[in-house]
Amino acid sequence: DIQMTQSPSSLSASVGDKITITCRASQDIDTYINWYQQKPGKPPKLLIYAVFNLQRGVPSRFSGSGSGTDFTLTITSLQSEDFATYYCQQSHSPPITFGQGTRLEIK
Amino acid sequence: EVQLVESGGGLVQPGGSLRLSCAASGFIFSDFWMTWVRQAPGKGLEWVGNIQQDGSETYYVDSVKGRFTISRDNAQNSLYLQMNSLGVEDTAVYFCTRESAAGTRFDLWGRGTLVTVSS
Repeated sequence: DIQMTQSPSSLSASVGDKITITCRASQDIDTYINWYQQKPGKPPKLLIYAVFNLQRGVPSRFSGSGSGTDFTLTITSLQSEDFATYYCQQSHSPPITFGQGTRLEIK
Repeated sequence: EVQLVESGGGLVQPGGSLRLSCAASGFIFSDFWMTWVRQAPGKGLEWVGNIQQDGSETYYVDSVKGRFTISRDNAQNSLYLQMNSLGVEDTAVYFCTRESAAGTRFDLWGRGTLVTVSS
């Protein structure tokens, strides 16, 4: 199975900050990575697919990059509604696997 | 409205069975692969398995193979998860999700239903 390792596991930041979350795959996954945002008590929400493509309705302050095994999710100018947990997910090889999550908290 | 609504969760004893349902609306259900994803309390997301549009193909994570069965009824716009031989490690919120037509990403999620396995 492909392991997806996110770093950091948690992160404190302030409104207006720029943050970056990293996801490393245990093997080359080409561009088969997606990112989700989850708030407490809610289902995950698809943010970015295939590395850098924004899902409809997702603000442009979210962006993704990377290739092969190393990928990043960047949020510029954090807003209060962005404080949540973020997950990466690979769809290169079954079984589909997720990263362990990165909890973004308000400083 | 485009939505997925799960039902059927609850408390079950170890070794027991439970059947979850997911009602889809607002889109052509039969056009999409469907997936179950679960989340243990305070933990991350785990893909459970998926089913092809016509139900002819199903795939499962190793930890549930032989115990869980995914099925669908396209006439009823419904997805199911039959869970047998449940263990405490199966305690989780179970989400019904839709796979985007263009790739294995989950672009629509239900709110989830909680399954608690405990004596």
